[in-house]
Amino acid sequence: AQTVTQSQPEMSVQEAETVTLSCTYDTSESNYYLFWYKQPPSRQMILVIRQEAYKQQNATENRFSVNFQKAAKSFSLKISDSQLGDTAMYFCAFMIDDKVIFGPGTSLSVIP
Amino acid sequence: DTEVTQTPKHLVMGMTNKKSLKCEQHMGHRAMYWYKQKAKKPPELMFVYSYEKLSINESVPSRFSPECPNSSLLNLHLHALQPEDSALYLCASSQLPRRTYEQYFGPGTRLTVT
Repeated sequence: AQTVTQSQPEMSVQEAETVTLSCTYDTSESNYYLFWYKQPPSRQMILVIRQEAYKQQNATENRFSVNFQKAAKSFSLKISDSQLGDTAMYFCAFMIDDKVIFGPGTSLSVIP
Repeated sequence: DTEVTQTPKHLVMGMTNKKSLKCEQHMGHRAMYWYKQKAKKPPELMFVYSYEKLSINESVPSRFSPECPNSSLLNLHLHALQPEDSALYLCASSQLPRRTYEQYFGPGTRLTVT
């Protein structure tokens, strides 16, 4: 069975600091895609960053970067220079066939 | 246009009512999805449409009935719902129903069943 685990239900970070959200997953597939989605309070879910499993290079999108360790099945998200607008639920997910399998989420609060 | 729209934003309905949720995208995406999301939980997949055909039904009760009239539009018909069906209903679309493509989500319809 495919599963995604996020071990930190809630986290907080001071504005302008760096925070890392952890994610582990389990799959027997060798080629898959991993995603981090962000869902701000009462706002729609948006894609933060995407990683192809066959690429060794870690994906980066501005202040967001991932640490992808395929052998360990780990896919953490680092947010640099945290901003108040980063306050949101963050879901780690991976896609197999037609389905997205989401982790339980991490609620991140950025403190002024 | 990278937007998925959903109407209505909020819906309150009684257990004997019939109502419909609507989702629309004009990005040319050929896969569309319905999710149910409870507070502080991840979205739970309900249905997937690929090329306007139902490809996945995650054992959803028959009181939820999806419909995909064309490639841009997705409906969810509701009938005889229960209070536990109260949730945020999210629609999403992706370019194709394959693992390489991220999903674009709509803002959701907040449903309350009384």
